[in-house]
Amino acid sequence: AQSVTQLDSQVPVFEEAPVELRCNYSSSVSVYLFWYVQYPNQGLQLLLKYLSGSTLVKGINGFEAEFNKSQTSFHLRKPSVHISDTAEYFCAVNTDKLIFGTGTRLQVFP
Amino acid sequence: DAGVTQSPTHLIKTRGQQVTLRCSPKSGHDTVSWYQQALGQGPQFIFQYYEEEERQRGNFPDRFSGHQFPNYSSELNVNALLLGDSALYLCASSGWRDTDTQYFGPGTRLTVL
Repeated sequence: AQSVTQLDSQVPVFEEAPVELRCNYSSSVSVYLFWYVQYPNQGLQLLLKYLSGSTLVKGINGFEAEFNKSQTSFHLRKPSVHISDTAEYFCAVNTDKLIFGTGTRLQVFP
Repeated sequence: DAGVTQSPTHLIKTRGQQVTLRCSPKSGHDTVSWYQQALGQGPQFIFQYYEEEERQRGNFPDRFSGHQFPNYSSELNVNALLLGDSALYLCASSGWRDTDTQYFGPGTRLTVL
């Protein structure tokens, strides 16, 4: 069975600092990987996805993620965060349905 | 290009009642999935509809049922509501051009008292 583990429930960071949100997955088959962002009282917005090809994936709002098959990881990074990046971030794996991690709360302080 | 829309935005019900939530997929999409997101949790897959039939189902009881209409819109029905059904219900759609990517609506917040 597939599963997703987001290693940090909360990540506090100061504005303009770099950030990494960690995601590990478990699957016996090839997977597609996604990062979604959820702002307060809103639905999920797709940040980026890995389906195949280059292991470094660039998404919206300056985020990028790297697929590492040997470490079964798909960590999300941003070199310089803004206050507006404060939100909940979900990693998900899609084989025949989306399976989400428990989320990481990114809190950006001024 | 309209995205995924859901109605209503908020809903308050009492235990034992029944509720119907509605979803219109993104233009050009024909597959609709429903998710339940409890407070502080990640979304959990309920079921997926394609060609007006339930194609997959997650680990949810039969109290949760759905329907897809010829125009691809969908309904989620929950019978005999329990306090534990209080959650944000999210609808997501996908289409033949990008079958592996789901786009989400804003959700319906259901509160069961």
